[in-house]
Amino acid sequence: RKEVEQDPGPFNVPEGATVAFNCTYSNSASQSFFWYRQDCRKEPKLLMSVYSSGNEDGRFTAQLNRASQYISLLIRDSKLSDSATYLCVVSRYTSRGAAGNKLTFGGGTRVLVKP
Amino acid sequence: GAGVSQSPSNKVTEKGKDVELRCDPISGHTALYWYRQSLGQGLEFLIYFQGNSAPDKSGLPSDRFSAERTGGSVSTLTIQRTQQEDSAVYLCASSLGQGAGQPQHFGDGTRLSIL
Repeated sequence: RKEVEQDPGPFNVPEGATVAFNCTYSNSASQSFFWYRQDCRKEPKLLMSVYSSGNEDGRFTAQLNRASQYISLLIRDSKLSDSATYLCVVSRYTSRGAAGNKLTFGGGTRVLVKP
Repeated sequence: GAGVSQSPSNKVTEKGKDVELRCDPISGHTALYWYRQSLGQGLEFLIYFQGNSAPDKSGLPSDRFSAERTGGSVSTLTIQRTQQEDSAVYLCASSLGQGAGQPQHFGDGTRLSIL
């Protein structure tokens, strides 16, 4: 089983609609969580961190459920420019090899917003 | 510059040749990661450096791949005797590393094409 799993999609979303998707992680020792966005043929860029109490950044809302070991991302009032692959990232401390906070990426969820 | 810098941005080489890819992380970032991404695929973790610790090499696909990080800053990923399946975008990322909640910042990547 992969450490971080995501539905690859694509999620086809009408412009203006709301879309939400989850990411599950297997290691209960995971400490920090992020959503990244990757546009086609571009590098991933940080979208937002995910806090325990849930957090919002404009049209984007992230939630963390530690009991069920998943995080979610909700996009309201979708714009055409929201079309991208959304990568879930989980951080945990490791003392093996390079000790420190190692980040692990999920495979990404592709979102296509259509007019 | 303020971001992660990678060079070259594009590299085309013949099968069997060795290649070196360079990553200059953000100043002060102790953690450095190498990933590769094939077209339409997710990020594949290769290697992780954290400070002066021995690196986590668990993602390197074969012994043709190696990486160094000199002086805790610049890193070089070397691929020996390249094969066509090595063709991909090689991404480098850095983060503050110590302490939870530190996201990664990516370079633009090196697009490697093996003929």
